[in-house]
Amino acid sequence: AQSVAQPEDQVNVAEGNPLTVKCTYSVSGNPYLFWYVQYPNRGLQFLLKYITGDNLVKGSYGFEAEFNKSQTSFHLKKPSALVSDSALYFCAVRDPSNYGGSQGNLIFGKGTKLSVKP
Amino acid sequence: KAGVTQTPRYLIKTRGQQVTLSCSPISGHRSVSWYQQTPGQGLQFLFEYFSETQRNKGNFPGRFSGRQFSNSRSEMNVSTLELGDSALYLCASSPGQVVGGELFFGEGSRLTVL
Repeated sequence: AQSVAQPEDQVNVAEGNPLTVKCTYSVSGNPYLFWYVQYPNRGLQFLLKYITGDNLVKGSYGFEAEFNKSQTSFHLKKPSALVSDSALYFCAVRDPSNYGGSQGNLIFGKGTKLSVKP
Repeated sequence: KAGVTQTPRYLIKTRGQQVTLSCSPISGHRSVSWYQQTPGQGLQFLFEYFSETQRNKGNFPGRFSGRQFSNSRSEMNVSTLELGDSALYLCASSPGQVVGGELFFGEGSRLTVL
């Protein structure tokens, strides 16, 4: 069965320091991987995705993520954190070998709360 | 381009009632998916509609249903509400035919069941 794990419920970082939010996944085929961010009482905003190609993908707001197939990981990173980055971050996976072309079914992790202090 | 619009944003119901939530996707998007978000279970996929047909369904009881109209707008309905149905219900749209395409989410409808 497909699954996504975000091992840290919360990550605390000082402003200006690098941040990492961890994600590991389990799918039977080659995964499509996504990161989303959610601010309080808001919907999810897309940050970046890995479909194929270069293992390092760059996304919105200076975020990037590295796909590591051998470790089945897709960690989210940013070189210098901002207080405004404080939010809830979700990793998600889709196994394209399933669901007959369905695009809408993402399996989400439980989320990691990122807190950036001034 | 307008984003995904969900109505109502907030609503309160009592056990046993039913509720209908509405979602207008981004113009041109033909796929609409619904998710339930709760503190305990996180984000869980309810169902996906594409061109008025349910294309995929999550593991929820039959009290949860949905439909999609010819203009791609979608509604979901929950009948015989239970306390555990209190959640943020998120709608997401996508073009529906792009391999690896991301979903675009609305702000959600927060349902409280008393």
